[in-house]
Amino acid sequence: GAVVSQHPSRVICKSGTSVKIECRSLDFQATTMFWYRQFPKQSLMLMATSNEGSKATYEQGVEKDKFLINHASLTLSTLTVTSAHPEDSSFYICSAATQGEVTEAFFGQGTRLTVV
Amino acid sequence: GEDVEQSLFLSVREGDSSVINCTYTDSSSTYLYWYKQEPGAGLQLLTYIFSNMDMKQDQRLTVLLNKKDKHLSLRIADTQTGDSAIYFCADSDGSSYKLIFGSGTRLLVRP
Repeated sequence: GAVVSQHPSRVICKSGTSVKIECRSLDFQATTMFWYRQFPKQSLMLMATSNEGSKATYEQGVEKDKFLINHASLTLSTLTVTSAHPEDSSFYICSAATQGEVTEAFFGQGTRLTVV
Repeated sequence: GEDVEQSLFLSVREGDSSVINCTYTDSSSTYLYWYKQEPGAGLQLLTYIFSNMDMKQDQRLTVLLNKKDKHLSLRIADTQTGDSAIYFCADSDGSSYKLIFGSGTRLLVRP
């Protein structure tokens, strides 16, 4: 299947700093990318949907000024957690969808963010 | 809103079959998916089924869909210890590419 690379896999940052997470589709063009957050032993919560060249669509309850999403090209989307706080510590996963009859979404490896 | 539900835990013996169940509420679901997540990793797409099908088989995996009851199941034949993971079902309405995930079922395979 298609490959989605997410970087970094782990990051520890201090409270108040910002962290950028990258999501790249390596062998296909992704018109749509998704960012999810996963709490321990829980399901994935969709945070936002981003389409290349346009503003991201955020799910209810997700602060767009805190979680900045940029989808500058068909192969790259970034999530920046601004002014991070310990409660932002979580596992963040991106996915990239191929355009076609079937919604095939391929997931990155995830980023474990710890804010200290 | 849309909701997808799964049982939280399943334990089976190596070599037995595993059946993981999922129910969903969205009647406009067009595709339903099964993903596998190993510890600390992203999600791996295992298989998917189109809503006008009632069964799909892919090697050791069998997906059954009862659209009337909005019930989806994943059967893993000859379960191996390497199958131990969390399994998520998800649906999409086909119009938005958004996936709605269940809470995940943790499968433990005992030797």
